[in-house]
Amino acid sequence: DAGVTQSPTHLIKTRGQQVTLRCSPKSGHDTVSWYQQALGQGPQFIFQYYEEEERQRGNFPDRFSGHQFPNYSSELNVNALLLGDSALYLCASSSTREQFFGPGTRLTVL
Amino acid sequence: DAKTTQPTSMDCAEGRAANLPCNHSTISGNEYVYWYRQIHSQGPQYIIHGLKNNETNEMASLIITEDRKSSTLILPHATLRDTAVYYCIVRLSGGYQKVTFGIGTKLQVIP
Repeated sequence: DAGVTQSPTHLIKTRGQQVTLRCSPKSGHDTVSWYQQALGQGPQFIFQYYEEEERQRGNFPDRFSGHQFPNYSSELNVNALLLGDSALYLCASSSTREQFFGPGTRLTVL
Repeated sequence: DAKTTQPTSMDCAEGRAANLPCNHSTISGNEYVYWYRQIHSQGPQYIIHGLKNNETNEMASLIITEDRKSSTLILPHATLRDTAVYYCIVRLSGGYQKVTFGIGTKLQVIP
């Protein structure tokens, strides 16, 4: 079992661009959550997807959107990138009992 | 989720026990104490959780005070690979609950 996987590992974008990050959940997990971790801070919850619908959302603007596919994989989209969007983006997949985090995607906005 | 308070940083000698404290005075009756750790630039890793009884697994022990207002994570024989940021989190149980992270404790294991 590969666990939670994320792609790409690293990404560099410029201000105003759009980015898509991808996550494949652990086998048997049907729920995917996304977190943003700025340097020196703890991860902050962005939103959670279950059955292809956004179930919970944290305090993030509409520039942050997501999608979940029938195979439970998920994408995080960020539009109109700002310098402050530079962070490690973490995906976590869940079953009823457990939650596992992926290795993250490091996004740098120049 | 209830708020937690942890020291910003701690040092521990290699081979000694690392005791990481956490205060959670506003914890409610159905909230659990969870501990995660994050090794540099990796995703957080689950360590242990408990409701009111002490818990032990292959990684660590969790001691929760009787009033549940504080807890201690114990790494019995710290190694250099235990150097990480440790997060104490209070939340409802279950994999679907969002996790609210604080700043955590930066544990440095010293040779």
